[in-house]
Amino acid sequence: KQEVTQIPAALSVPEGENLVLNCSFTDSAIYNLQWFRQDPGKGLTSLLLIQSSQREQTSGRLNASLDKSSGRSTLYIAASQPGDSATYLCAANTDKLIFGTGTRLQVFP
Amino acid sequence: ETGVTQTPRHLVMGMTNKKSLKCEQHLGHNAMYWYKQSAKKPLELMFVYSLEERVENNSVPSRFSPECPNSSHLFLHLHTLQPEDSALYLCASSQDLVRLAGTMNEQFFGPGTRLTVL
Repeated sequence: KQEVTQIPAALSVPEGENLVLNCSFTDSAIYNLQWFRQDPGKGLTSLLLIQSSQREQTSGRLNASLDKSSGRSTLYIAASQPGDSATYLCAANTDKLIFGTGTRLQVFP
Repeated sequence: ETGVTQTPRHLVMGMTNKKSLKCEQHLGHNAMYWYKQSAKKPLELMFVYSLEERVENNSVPSRFSPECPNSSHLFLHLHTLQPEDSALYLCASSQDLVRLAGTMNEQFFGPGTRLTVL
């Protein structure tokens, strides 16, 4: 049974810092892995999708890596801004999305 | 309207009420999903539909009844709910099931319906 874990659970940093959010999964037989952003009380916004054959994906200041063999993915946020404050969720797709509990990020000015 | 829309955005109901949540996707996708998000718990998949056919029912109580009349619309009918059913209910869609569409299959989510059961 796939289990997804995210650490840290919460992070508070001054703006401008480069950040690393971690996601681990127990079953490496995944189709892909998605990273999402969720603002309080809102739906999920898809940030990046990494296919099982890929090692990383980039979108603007975001870079996500995938190491299937070790069951890990990392979301790297460069030069963080207050507008990045949100909860970040990763989900491993083994025919259905299995979500972690998220990392709540606060970036203060 | 673009993407995935959900109505209503907020719903308060008593335990004896019957209500329905509506989801509509404007992306031309074949697969649609219902998820439940409770406080401090990971998102839980409830139901999956592919081309209007239910392909997964994730041990959800019968007081939740899904309906998919066509590939663009998905409903969740609610009756005799319990206070512990209070949560954010999220709808999502994707091109198809990942085992059919392949590894690029991406899910897109709606804004959710915040449900409170009194």
